[in-house]
Amino acid sequence: DSGVTQTPKHLITATGQRVTLRCSPRSGDLSVYWYQQSLDQGLQFLIQYYNGEERAKGNILERFSAQQFPDLHSELNLSSLELGDSALYFCASSLWTDLGGNTIYFGEGSWLTVV
Amino acid sequence: GESVGLHLPTLSVQEGDNSIINCAYSNSASDYFIWYKQESGKGPQFIIDIRSNMDKRQGQRVTVLLNKTVKHLSLQIAATQPGDSAVYFCAETANNNDMRFGAGTRLTVKP
Repeated sequence: DSGVTQTPKHLITATGQRVTLRCSPRSGDLSVYWYQQSLDQGLQFLIQYYNGEERAKGNILERFSAQQFPDLHSELNLSSLELGDSALYFCASSLWTDLGGNTIYFGEGSWLTVV
Repeated sequence: GESVGLHLPTLSVQEGDNSIINCAYSNSASDYFIWYKQESGKGPQFIIDIRSNMDKRQGQRVTVLLNKTVKHLSLQIAATQPGDSAVYFCAETANNNDMRFGAGTRLTVKP
């Protein structure tokens, strides 16, 4: 158990809908990361927050947004869902924003299926 | 659980043999590398890391080798066990920026 908690574990929704994925980082971790893992794209970095503020953006679509709350939990909002958004969405956390020597720990993922 | 990465490179080894999983990276500025193990239906799990000022680091049954000249990273697993069957990802970061993951290699251990 990595200590990173994600909900829901599985979610099925229709195209055009909006969903929210939730993440609680490891106790004491200040950075939260979101990754998307699909069959043909591998692990793709979406976005990172550090202590409530956005720190880095990766390949995140404009239809997606995220935030980190004062209690450090994070939410990833996915809107106007398309079939191609079906994937595993991972949250990860780390203590520092400095990745050099700072390991990130992954949650178990939220499996999103868009039908 | 669901499986991902159906078209990954694969490595099949006999139980008890040593496994070597390779990873090539392209960014010469990458200075920190991690190997992750991902079992079916689970999130990536940290195995071992190495900084660019090292060329070898050993853990329990695992060794990571870094060759900066050719930008190559390898993970060696000694006495491979059935529980080692998983997808293995290398990840890199440069100057404390975003961590990038390789495509992964699926390791299958035959009893």
